[in-house]
Amino acid sequence: KQEVTQIPAALSVPEGENLVLNCSFTDSAIYNLQWFRQDPGKGLTSLLLIQSSQREQTSGRLNASLDKSSGRSTLYIAASQPGDSATYLCAAPYGQNFVFGPGTRLSVLP
Amino acid sequence: EAGVAQSPRYKIIEKRQSVAFWCNPISGHATLYWYQQILGQGPKLLIQFQNNGVVDDSQLPKDRFSAERLKGVDSTLKIQPAKLEDSAVYLCASSLVGGPGELFFGEGSRLTVL
Repeated sequence: KQEVTQIPAALSVPEGENLVLNCSFTDSAIYNLQWFRQDPGKGLTSLLLIQSSQREQTSGRLNASLDKSSGRSTLYIAASQPGDSATYLCAAPYGQNFVFGPGTRLSVLP
Repeated sequence: EAGVAQSPRYKIIEKRQSVAFWCNPISGHATLYWYQQILGQGPKLLIQFQNNGVVDDSQLPKDRFSAERLKGVDSTLKIQPAKLEDSAVYLCASSLVGGPGELFFGEGSRLTVL
């Protein structure tokens, strides 16, 4: 069974800081992992999809890494902005679908 | 390209009443998912369709929840009768391929059961 955890549960930082969000999964037999952003009252927006053949994936100020052997993925956000405030969720495959973590709630203070 | 469409966005009902949610996936996406998201938690899969066939409905409370995807395009999720614990956001997602492939979500339908 796949279990996904995320640390920290919540994070508050001043604008401009670089930060790291952590995702751990128990079943390392995965072929991809996806990171999402969720704004209050909204659906999930796909940020990055990392294939198992990749170690990193980058989009703008976001960089996600995947280490299957340790069952971990990290999302790095550079030069954080107030507009980055949201909940960030990771999802790891299990069978034919994804299992989601509970998310990290990020607040970036101006 | 149009995204995943869901309706209604909000619904308030009394317990024991029924409710239905509709989802239209991204054009060409063969796989459609319904997730339930309770406040403060990650989404939990209810049912997965590949075209118009069910791939996984192991976590769907079949005594009260039903879903269909006629013609392999749009889908309807129904709850009858609703319980207080069904209050949640119901999210529809689609992907081009199964496997699973990259997921794309709609805005969700927020249900409040009183």
